[in-house]
Amino acid sequence: AQSVTQLDSQVPVFEEAPVELRCNYSSSVSVYLFWYVQYPNQGLQLLLKYLSGSTLVESINGFEAEFNKSQTSFHLRKPSVHISDTAEYFCAVSDRPGGGNKLTFGTGTQLKVEL
Amino acid sequence: DTGVSQDPRHKITKRGQNVTFRCDPISEHNRLYWYRQTLGQGPEFLTYFQNEAQLEKSRLLSDRFSAERPKGSFSTLEIQRTEQGDSAMYLCASSSGLGKETQYFGPGTRLLVL
Repeated sequence: AQSVTQLDSQVPVFEEAPVELRCNYSSSVSVYLFWYVQYPNQGLQLLLKYLSGSTLVESINGFEAEFNKSQTSFHLRKPSVHISDTAEYFCAVSDRPGGGNKLTFGTGTQLKVEL
Repeated sequence: DTGVSQDPRHKITKRGQNVTFRCDPISEHNRLYWYRQTLGQGPEFLTYFQNEAQLEKSRLLSDRFSAERPKGSFSTLEIQRTEQGDSAMYLCASSSGLGKETQYFGPGTRLLVL
């Protein structure tokens, strides 16, 4: 069975500061990893994903995540956050590329960017 | 380009009543998923369809829950004899089913059972 652990339920950070949202997973098979973002009153949006190849993946809005197999982690980072990054972030894992038949999500991390 | 749509967006019902939610996936997406999200938790997988075939159901999907996708396009999720514990956000997602595809989520239906 797969599982995802997001240890930080809330992360407060000042605007323009760097941030790291932690994600650890467990799985007995090959994994495919995802970060989704949920803005208030909106659905989940895919932020970035690791399927294969380079272990460092980037999103169009400056976030990046690195797949670390030995540490079973897929932490999300951004060197300088903006107020508009305030949202809930979910890490997810699948044993199939693109999510296949289902995604297993963590409990989420609420990122609150303050002035 | 229309994304995944869900109807209604909000539903308040009394315990014991039946409710039905609808999901319209992205056009030509042949995979459709239902998830449930409770307060403070991440989404939890309920069931998924490949075209009209329901291929997997979670243990979370009790006998009171039934999902259909009769023509391989839109899907409905019905909850019979609702309980207060059914209060949650019900999310629908779709994907193309071509391999390495992304699941695209709808805005969800928020259910409150009084």
